[in-house]
Amino acid sequence: QQKVQQSPESLIVPEGGMASLNCTSSDRNVDYFWWYRQHSGKSPKMLMSIFSNGEKEEGRFTVHLNKASLHTSLHIRDSQPSDSALYLCAASKAGNTGKLIFGLGTTLQVQP
Amino acid sequence: GPKVLQIPSHQIIDMGQMVTLNCDPVSNHLYFYWYKQILGQQMEFLVNFYNGKVMEKSKLFKDQFSVERPDGSYFTLKIQPTALEDSAVYFCASSPPGPYEQYFGPGTRLTVL
Repeated sequence: QQKVQQSPESLIVPEGGMASLNCTSSDRNVDYFWWYRQHSGKSPKMLMSIFSNGEKEEGRFTVHLNKASLHTSLHIRDSQPSDSALYLCAASKAGNTGKLIFGLGTTLQVQP
Repeated sequence: GPKVLQIPSHQIIDMGQMVTLNCDPVSNHLYFYWYKQILGQQMEFLVNFYNGKVMEKSKLFKDQFSVERPDGSYFTLKIQPTALEDSAVYFCASSPPGPYEQYFGPGTRLTVL
């Protein structure tokens, strides 16, 4: 079983619409969550990180974290075709190794 | 923004031969990582490296794998000998200390025949 589970597996939203992506860790010993975006054939690039309960907003992107349920979600408003990509959620533990445990990802397609 | 470089971008090699994957991390970063991504599967942690030592490695980091960064040059992943199941894209990443963002390179696609 994946330790970091993401849903949905794929998502299609219209241009200008809202995309909502979910991620849950089954490992209770995680402290940090990261959202990376990976365009086809490219390297993952970090979009947002969240370490505390609550919400964080940066431009069109909002991330939520519920530490009790180890669930995080990423919301993209006013989605653009350039947002079409694989979105990877990763979790890590406090400490000095920094190992990221990734989920399988959600493939987002924004249709013009 | 900061960039991690990887050389080569593609490598095709016969099973049993040795291969070295090279990574040029962000200049002031102190932590270095290798991840493995097989098409359609999740990105998986292999190893991380700090101050000349392996800090943590996963079960995927077999005895045939080794890493080093001699004298601040490339951070390398060596596989000797290679096996068919080593075919994957290998991503290098680097980060400063603490819960900071890991910057990923563009990956090396390794094909073992």
